[in-house]
Amino acid sequence: DGGITQSPKYLFRKEGQNVTLSCEQNLNHDAMYWYRQDPGQGLRLIYYSQIVNDFQKGDIAEGYSVSREKKESFPLTVTSAQKNPTAFYLCASSLGGYSNQPQHFGDGTRLSIL
Amino acid sequence: AQKITQTQPGMFVQEKEAVTLDCTYDTSDPSYGLFWYKQPSSGEMIFLIYQGSYDQQNATEGRYSLNFQKARKSANLVISASQLGDSAMYFCAMKRMGSGYSTLTFGKGTMLLVSP
Repeated sequence: DGGITQSPKYLFRKEGQNVTLSCEQNLNHDAMYWYRQDPGQGLRLIYYSQIVNDFQKGDIAEGYSVSREKKESFPLTVTSAQKNPTAFYLCASSLGGYSNQPQHFGDGTRLSIL
Repeated sequence: AQKITQTQPGMFVQEKEAVTLDCTYDTSDPSYGLFWYKQPSSGEMIFLIYQGSYDQQNATEGRYSLNFQKARKSANLVISASQLGDSAMYFCAMKRMGSGYSTLTFGKGTMLLVSP
């Protein structure tokens, strides 16, 4: 079955530590996205990528970094510069930002601070 | 800039009844799309229904329909014959269509609880 796989499901970060969240898709989608969700809030866009080797900052990119070396993969690194990283992180993909096709989401990673 | 407003933090409905979840939006773009997603307690986001700004008819997908009132800038989701499994968070989102790349803007969501 085609879909988006996020791992791990739960992640704990120590002070001063960088952590990387994995996102893999086999939908052959060009575009991929990372969102952050805080309790009682909607989704806020961190980074997105339209094609391989290209990505753009979203609304809340500070303290995060991404790479897009393969079409299938779009890992997100939460750096030590992100002072409030505790949140639910969702990865999504779509055929592209020019179309009316919906974004498809993974199951999410819940990040907490130790 | 685009903005989505969902004014109902929570809604209650009895099983088998219909419920309407409100969504208003603000945009200066003439061409846009509106999406509704469901988020169960497990966390994944499930796409429900899409409405384009130039679509002549309101979108329907099974028990889901969209009451699209363009002049009022509202795109309310109607769930008919509610089921216990409909209990979840529901998010309205929009994106600009046409020229240029655009991304989704989400509202803050409405929690729906369906009681037996």
